[in-house]
Amino acid sequence: DIQMTQSPSSLSASVGDRVTITCRASQSIRGFLNWYQQKPGKAPELLIFAASNLLSGVPSRFSGSGSGTDFTLTVSSLQPEDFATYFCQQSYSIPSTFGQGTKLEIK
Amino acid sequence: QVQLQESGPGLVKPSGTLSLTCVVSGGSMRSTNGWSWVRQPPGKGLEWIGEIYHSGSINYNPSLKSRVTISVDKSKNHFSLKLSSVTAADTAVYFCARVSRIVVVEDATQESTYYFDYWGQGTLVTVSS
Repeated sequence: DIQMTQSPSSLSASVGDRVTITCRASQSIRGFLNWYQQKPGKAPELLIFAASNLLSGVPSRFSGSGSGTDFTLTVSSLQPEDFATYFCQQSYSIPSTFGQGTKLEIK
Repeated sequence: QVQLQESGPGLVKPSGTLSLTCVVSGGSMRSTNGWSWVRQPPGKGLEWIGEIYHSGSINYNPSLKSRVTISVDKSKNHFSLKLSSVTAADTAVYFCARVSRIVVVEDATQESTYYFDYWGQGTLVTVSS
């Protein structure tokens, strides 16, 4: 299985901050990487697919980049509703695997 | 708007079989989309269980393959999960999700990839005697 490792595991930031979350794959997954946001007690919600494609309706302050083994999710200016846990997911091979999550907390 | 809703027992005895159903509304299951199950143990990360497509193609996570069965009833717009020989390690919130496939240009060639774009709210299943 392809291992997905996110860093950091948790992050404290303030409204208006720019934050970056990293996801590293144990082998190349080309550009087949998705990002999800999950709030407590809720299902994950898709933000970005295929590394850098913003899902329609997702605010443009979210962006993704990367290819191969290293990927990033950036939030350009944090809003109160962005404090949540973020997961990356590889869709390159079966079984699909997720990162362990990055919890973004208010400082 | 597509909506998914899981249902099933919230408590299963060890060595028993976990059975869940996901009802799909607002969209047809006869499309090219796939239908998947993902679980999340309390306070932990996400684990993909498996998926089924309109074509009848089914994929399972090898770590669960010997115990999992996913099936679909398109006439009733629902799909199901059965997980046998459960233990406490199978205690989790179980989500159903729609799989959407797209074609992207990767290294100047067209490639098919997928993502989970609609999810159910999740249902907690506890394995305990």
